[in-house]
Amino acid sequence: TQLLEQSPQFLSIQEGENLTVYCNSSSVFSSLQWYRQEPGEGPVLLVTVVTGGEVKKLKRLTFQFGDARKDSSLHITAAQPGDTGLYLCAGARAFNKFYFGSGTKLNVKP
Amino acid sequence: DTEVTQTPKHLVMGMTNKKSLKCEQHMGHRAMYWYKQKAKKPPELMFVYSYEKLSINESVPSRFSPECPNSSLLNLHLHALQPEDSALYLCASSPGLAARESYEQYFGPGTRLTVT
Repeated sequence: TQLLEQSPQFLSIQEGENLTVYCNSSSVFSSLQWYRQEPGEGPVLLVTVVTGGEVKKLKRLTFQFGDARKDSSLHITAAQPGDTGLYLCAGARAFNKFYFGSGTKLNVKP
Repeated sequence: DTEVTQTPKHLVMGMTNKKSLKCEQHMGHRAMYWYKQKAKKPPELMFVYSYEKLSINESVPSRFSPECPNSSLLNLHLHALQPEDSALYLCASSPGLAARESYEQYFGPGTRLTVT
């Protein structure tokens, strides 16, 4: 059983559309990270959220940590083909242990 | 510099071979990790070293043997692997301190392992 569930699993959209990816759990996390991974490469850290209710913006990407620190969302505005990749959330509970979500494969068509 | 390096990038080995994967970071991080990732799946944690001591072993078979010679280096020794062990092996590091930054993991590019 996955501790963190991501939805949707797959998303195929046109360039310029907006999208939201969700990362949900029944467990509380000390922090939540979001990564993007290209095929055959390691995940690249996008953001870390630590405080319940925290919102962080990175250009067209907006990340939110739920008030209860059990869930998070990633919203992309005006998606571009360069946003294509596997998006992974990961939660930290015990010190130095991270639990990964199931992943969301995003394809942005030009 | 947030770079974690891994060698080799690709490795093909037979079931009777012995090989090693190497990982290096120079960010002063005190926690280092090995993950295994199968195609279209998220990374699965294998081992965690904290301050050069093995702190987490996720019930990994003994044919995988980790080693942390110093705070910058992490090895994964492989022996008598099975074809189902073929995967992308990822190394990661994090500061390992009780601070916000301790929650950030930085990954290497991975080693694509094929067991024949």
